Amino acid sequence: NAGVTQTPKFRVLKTGQSMTLLCAQDMNHEYMYWYRQDPGMGLRLIHYSVGEGTTAKGEVPDGYNVSRLKKQNFLLGLESAAPSQTSVYFCASSSSGRRNEQFFGPGTRLTVL
Amino acid sequence: ELKVEQNPLFLSMQEGKNYTIYCNYSTTSDRLYWYRQDPGKSLESLFVLLSNGAVKQEGRLMASLDTKARLSTLHITAAVHDLSATYFCAGIIQGAQKLVFGQGTRLTINP
Repeated sequence: NAGVTQTPKFRVLKTGQSMTLLCAQDMNHEYMYWYRQDPGMGLRLIHYSVGEGTTAKGEVPDGYNVSRLKKQNFLLGLESAAPSQTSVYFCASSSSGRRNEQFFGPGTRLTVL
Repeated sequence: ELKVEQNPLFLSMQEGKNYTIYCNYSTTSDRLYWYRQDPGKSLESLFVLLSNGAVKQEGRLMASLDTKARLSTLHITAAVHDLSATYFCAGIIQGAQKLVFGQGTRLTINP
Protein backbone atom coordinates (compact mmCIF):
# COMPACT_ATOMS: atom_id res chain seq x y z
CA ASN A 1 0.00 0.00 0.00
CA ALA A 2 1.24 3.46 -0.90
CA GLY A 3 -0.86 5.07 1.85
CA VAL A 4 -1.44 8.76 1.15
CA THR A 5 0.30 10.32 -1.84
CA GLN A 6 0.43 13.93 -2.98
CA THR A 7 1.37 15.56 -6.25
CA PRO A 8 3.28 17.67 -6.93
CA LYS A 9 5.96 17.72 -4.22
CA PHE A 10 7.13 21.24 -5.02
CA ARG A 11 5.65 24.12 -6.98
CA VAL A 12 6.43 27.76 -7.58
CA LEU A 13 3.63 30.04 -8.76
CA LYS A 14 3.35 33.67 -9.64
CA THR A 15 0.69 35.79 -7.96
CA GLY A 16 -2.64 35.28 -9.70
CA GLN A 17 -1.85 31.89 -11.20
CA SER A 18 -3.99 28.87 -10.44
CA MET A 19 -3.13 25.30 -9.62
CA THR A 20 -4.55 22.06 -8.27
CA LEU A 21 -2.97 19.80 -5.70
CA LEU A 22 -3.91 16.13 -5.85
CA CYS A 23 -4.19 13.79 -2.89
CA ALA A 24 -4.79 10.08 -3.30
CA GLN A 25 -5.22 7.33 -0.69
CA ASP A 26 -5.46 3.58 -1.12
CA MET A 27 -6.71 2.69 2.37
CA ASN A 28 -10.42 2.98 1.53
CA HIS A 29 -10.77 5.78 4.07
CA GLU A 30 -13.99 7.76 4.26
CA TYR A 31 -12.50 10.98 5.56
CA MET A 32 -9.94 13.17 3.86
CA TYR A 33 -8.39 16.47 4.91
CA TRP A 34 -6.26 19.30 3.61
CA TYR A 35 -3.99 21.22 6.02
CA ARG A 36 -1.46 23.97 5.66
CA GLN A 37 1.61 24.24 7.86
CA ASP A 38 3.30 27.55 8.51
CA PRO A 39 6.27 28.15 10.82
CA GLY A 40 5.24 28.44 14.45
CA MET A 41 1.55 27.82 13.73
CA GLY A 42 1.20 24.07 13.71
CA LEU A 43 -1.24 22.64 11.20
CA ARG A 44 -4.45 24.41 10.24
CA LEU A 45 -7.35 22.69 8.54
CA ILE A 46 -8.35 24.16 5.18
CA HIS A 47 -11.16 21.87 3.99
CA TYR A 48 -12.20 18.34 4.66
CA SER A 49 -14.51 15.65 3.32
CA VAL A 50 -16.49 12.97 5.15
CA GLY A 51 -17.29 11.01 2.02
CA GLU A 52 -17.36 10.96 -1.74
CA GLY A 53 -19.15 13.99 -3.11
CA THR A 54 -19.08 15.92 0.18
CA THR A 55 -16.82 18.75 1.33
CA ALA A 56 -16.79 21.17 4.25
CA LYS A 57 -14.84 24.22 5.34
CA GLY A 58 -12.16 24.05 7.96
CA GLU A 59 -10.41 26.77 9.91
CA VAL A 60 -8.78 28.65 6.98
CA PRO A 61 -10.84 27.98 3.80
CA ASP A 62 -10.62 31.37 2.08
CA GLY A 63 -8.84 31.31 -1.27
CA TYR A 64 -9.15 27.55 -1.66
CA ASN A 65 -11.65 25.17 -3.21
CA VAL A 66 -11.86 21.39 -3.01
CA SER A 67 -13.54 18.50 -4.72
CA ARG A 68 -14.02 14.83 -3.86
CA LEU A 69 -15.40 13.20 -6.98
CA LYS A 70 -13.91 9.82 -6.14
CA LYS A 71 -13.51 8.29 -2.70
CA GLN A 72 -9.78 7.85 -3.08
CA ASN A 73 -9.00 11.37 -4.34
CA PHE A 74 -9.25 14.81 -2.77
CA LEU A 75 -8.27 17.85 -4.83
CA LEU A 76 -7.27 21.25 -3.48
CA GLY A 77 -7.49 24.21 -5.86
CA LEU A 78 -6.06 27.68 -5.70
CA GLU A 79 -7.91 29.88 -8.19
CA SER A 80 -5.73 32.99 -7.87
CA ALA A 81 -2.63 32.37 -5.82
CA ALA A 82 -1.40 34.98 -3.36
CA PRO A 83 1.94 35.22 -1.52
CA SER A 84 0.07 34.52 1.75
CA GLN A 85 -0.61 31.03 0.40
CA THR A 86 3.08 30.17 0.44
CA SER A 87 3.12 27.18 2.75
CA VAL A 88 3.53 23.45 3.04
CA TYR A 89 0.31 21.61 2.31
CA PHE A 90 -0.48 18.23 3.80
CA CYS A 91 -3.26 15.87 2.93
CA ALA A 92 -4.49 13.27 5.40
CA SER A 93 -7.07 10.52 5.51
CA SER A 94 -8.77 8.49 8.20
CA SER A 95 -11.39 5.84 8.66
CA SER A 96 -14.85 6.68 9.95
CA GLY A 97 -14.42 4.75 13.20
CA ARG A 98 -13.98 6.28 16.64
CA ARG A 99 -10.21 5.92 16.48
CA ASN A 100 -10.06 8.45 13.61
CA GLU A 101 -6.29 8.18 13.34
CA GLN A 102 -5.22 10.43 10.50
CA PHE A 103 -2.47 9.34 8.14
CA PHE A 104 -0.57 12.05 6.36
CA GLY A 105 0.87 12.40 2.89
CA PRO A 106 4.43 13.60 2.25
CA GLY A 107 3.41 17.23 1.68
CA THR A 108 3.60 19.80 -1.11
CA ARG A 109 5.85 22.82 -0.71
CA LEU A 110 4.24 25.77 -2.50
CA THR A 111 5.88 29.14 -3.05
CA VAL A 112 3.91 32.04 -4.47
CA LEU A 113 6.01 34.91 -5.77
CA GLU B 1 -14.11 26.30 20.13
CA LEU B 2 -11.37 23.82 20.86
CA LYS B 3 -7.93 25.29 21.47
CA VAL B 4 -4.84 23.17 22.05
CA GLU B 5 -1.71 24.51 23.68
CA GLN B 6 1.61 22.78 24.11
CA ASN B 7 4.48 23.64 26.35
CA PRO B 8 7.26 24.05 26.12
CA LEU B 9 7.48 25.09 22.46
CA PHE B 10 11.23 24.53 22.40
CA LEU B 11 13.13 22.03 24.46
CA SER B 12 16.84 21.29 24.41
CA MET B 13 17.99 18.45 26.56
CA GLN B 14 20.88 16.10 27.07
CA GLU B 15 20.95 12.46 26.22
CA GLY B 16 20.00 10.26 29.12
CA LYS B 17 17.69 12.80 30.77
CA ASN B 18 13.95 12.58 31.29
CA TYR B 19 11.45 15.22 30.35
CA THR B 20 7.73 15.81 29.76
CA ILE B 21 5.84 17.75 27.10
CA TYR B 22 2.44 19.05 28.16
CA CYS B 23 -0.66 19.42 26.02
CA ASN B 24 -3.61 21.38 27.41
CA TYR B 25 -6.91 21.78 25.63
CA SER B 26 -9.77 24.14 26.23
CA THR B 27 -12.99 22.16 25.81
CA THR B 28 -14.09 18.57 25.88
CA SER B 29 -12.04 16.26 23.72
CA ASP B 30 -12.34 12.61 24.60
CA ARG B 31 -9.53 11.58 22.31
CA LEU B 32 -6.03 12.91 21.96
CA TYR B 33 -3.37 12.30 19.35
CA TRP B 34 0.39 12.63 19.31
CA TYR B 35 2.41 13.00 16.13
CA ARG B 36 6.09 13.30 15.35
CA GLN B 37 7.56 15.35 12.52
CA ASP B 38 11.18 15.28 11.39
CA PRO B 39 12.55 18.35 9.57
CA GLY B 40 11.23 18.55 6.02
CA LYS B 41 9.12 15.43 6.50
CA SER B 42 5.50 14.54 7.04
CA LEU B 43 3.72 13.73 10.29
CA GLU B 44 3.95 10.26 11.75
CA SER B 45 1.31 9.03 14.16
CA LEU B 46 2.73 8.07 17.55
CA PHE B 47 -0.18 7.56 19.90
CA VAL B 48 -3.96 7.59 19.88
CA LEU B 49 -5.45 8.04 23.36
CA LEU B 50 -9.10 7.06 23.30
CA SER B 51 -10.30 7.47 26.87
CA ASN B 52 -9.68 9.09 30.20
CA GLY B 53 -6.73 7.50 31.96
CA ALA B 54 -5.35 5.98 28.77
CA VAL B 55 -1.62 5.36 28.81
CA LYS B 56 0.39 4.24 25.80
CA GLN B 57 4.09 3.45 25.62
CA GLU B 58 6.44 2.91 22.72
CA GLY B 59 10.13 2.60 23.49
CA ARG B 60 11.28 5.68 25.40
CA LEU B 61 8.02 7.56 24.84
CA MET B 62 4.94 7.35 27.00
CA ALA B 63 1.72 9.30 26.52
CA SER B 64 -1.19 9.71 28.90
CA LEU B 65 -4.57 11.40 28.89
CA ASP B 66 -6.54 13.02 31.71
CA THR B 67 -9.81 14.26 30.23
CA LYS B 68 -10.99 15.80 33.49
CA ALA B 69 -7.90 18.00 33.69
CA ARG B 70 -7.98 18.46 29.89
CA LEU B 71 -4.31 17.47 29.83
CA SER B 72 -2.17 15.03 27.95
CA THR B 73 1.50 14.43 28.55
CA LEU B 74 4.28 12.94 26.46
CA HIS B 75 7.08 11.67 28.68
CA ILE B 76 10.55 10.97 27.35
CA THR B 77 12.70 8.57 29.30
CA ALA B 78 16.50 8.49 28.98
CA ALA B 79 16.45 10.59 25.83
CA VAL B 80 18.55 9.63 22.82
CA HIS B 81 19.53 11.78 19.83
CA ASP B 82 17.17 9.92 17.48
CA LEU B 83 14.21 11.37 19.36
CA SER B 84 15.07 14.89 18.17
CA ALA B 85 12.01 16.07 16.23
CA THR B 86 8.94 18.27 16.53
CA TYR B 87 6.08 16.70 18.47
CA PHE B 88 2.48 17.73 17.98
CA CYS B 89 -0.57 16.92 20.02
CA ALA B 90 -4.07 17.25 18.61
CA GLY B 91 -7.53 17.16 20.10
CA ILE B 92 -10.68 16.30 18.23
CA ILE B 93 -13.86 18.27 17.75
CA GLN B 94 -16.58 15.86 18.80
CA GLY B 95 -19.08 14.94 16.18
CA ALA B 96 -17.08 16.57 13.42
CA GLN B 97 -14.02 14.33 13.28
CA LYS B 98 -11.75 17.34 12.89
CA LEU B 99 -8.40 17.54 14.60
CA VAL B 100 -7.11 20.73 16.18
CA PHE B 101 -3.34 20.79 16.52
CA GLY B 102 -1.12 22.40 19.08
CA GLN B 103 1.77 24.60 17.96
CA GLY B 104 4.27 21.80 18.26
CA THR B 105 7.26 21.27 20.55
CA ARG B 106 10.65 21.29 18.91
CA LEU B 107 12.81 18.84 20.80
CA THR B 108 16.57 18.82 20.41
CA ILE B 109 18.59 16.16 22.20
CA ASN B 110 22.28 16.86 22.53
CA PRO B 111 24.97 14.21 23.04
